[in-house]
Amino acid sequence: GAGVSQSPRYKVAKRGQDVALRCDPISGHVSLFWYQQALGQGPEFLTYFQNEAQLDKSGLPSDRFFAERPEGSVSTLKIQRTQQEDSAVYLCASSSGDLGNTIYFGEGSWLTVV
Amino acid sequence: DQQVKQNSPSLSVQEGRISILNCDYTNSMFDYFLWYKKYPAEGPTFLISISSIKDKNEDGRFTVFLNKSAKHLSLHIVPSQPGDSAVYFCAASRSNYQLIWGAGTKLIIKP
Repeated sequence: GAGVSQSPRYKVAKRGQDVALRCDPISGHVSLFWYQQALGQGPEFLTYFQNEAQLDKSGLPSDRFFAERPEGSVSTLKIQRTQQEDSAVYLCASSSGDLGNTIYFGEGSWLTVV
Repeated sequence: DQQVKQNSPSLSVQEGRISILNCDYTNSMFDYFLWYKKYPAEGPTFLISISSIKDKNEDGRFTVFLNKSAKHLSLHIVPSQPGDSAVYFCAASRSNYQLIWGAGTKLIIKP
């Protein structure tokens, strides 16, 4: 596709529900990132994939958060037993290589936990 | 501990004048800096970047200045246009993939 595509755009989940957020990166992009952005804050790093390998998951806030990219393209961020503090925009981004290459962001998945 | 700070939550500038957005950082190991622009309900869009070996980078109406001794960078937009109204994020990195972001500055261009 032309850009990074994320779905769903908006999700309202009841506390305790599991959610799955999908990211389709730009075709051919090796690197994929997930960020979490709370209201009024800048994005915060969650995890990084190079192809199918998850090279860094140090930003995942708890073991309720899990990300995968099994075939090195589409990625899914899963949040189990959602809590109210999980409410945020989840941004996916991709790039063709290392940091010197521009990182392109999707529009985000807006999660509200009620 | 906020490693990247944008101390102005918002800035209002007259159309045609210069907009100056500021960003301070605390980690002297940062060696790559980026500015992103974000419209409501959209993801951030890359604007301009600068490596720590430079002190200035220019791209059209946008210029980024880096003062390493002061750990300060700024984004200049001249002349400012109504379409520049957005939230601007400063981000920094230490030669790796992980970007550390500021909280953003909302720029409002008045006609």
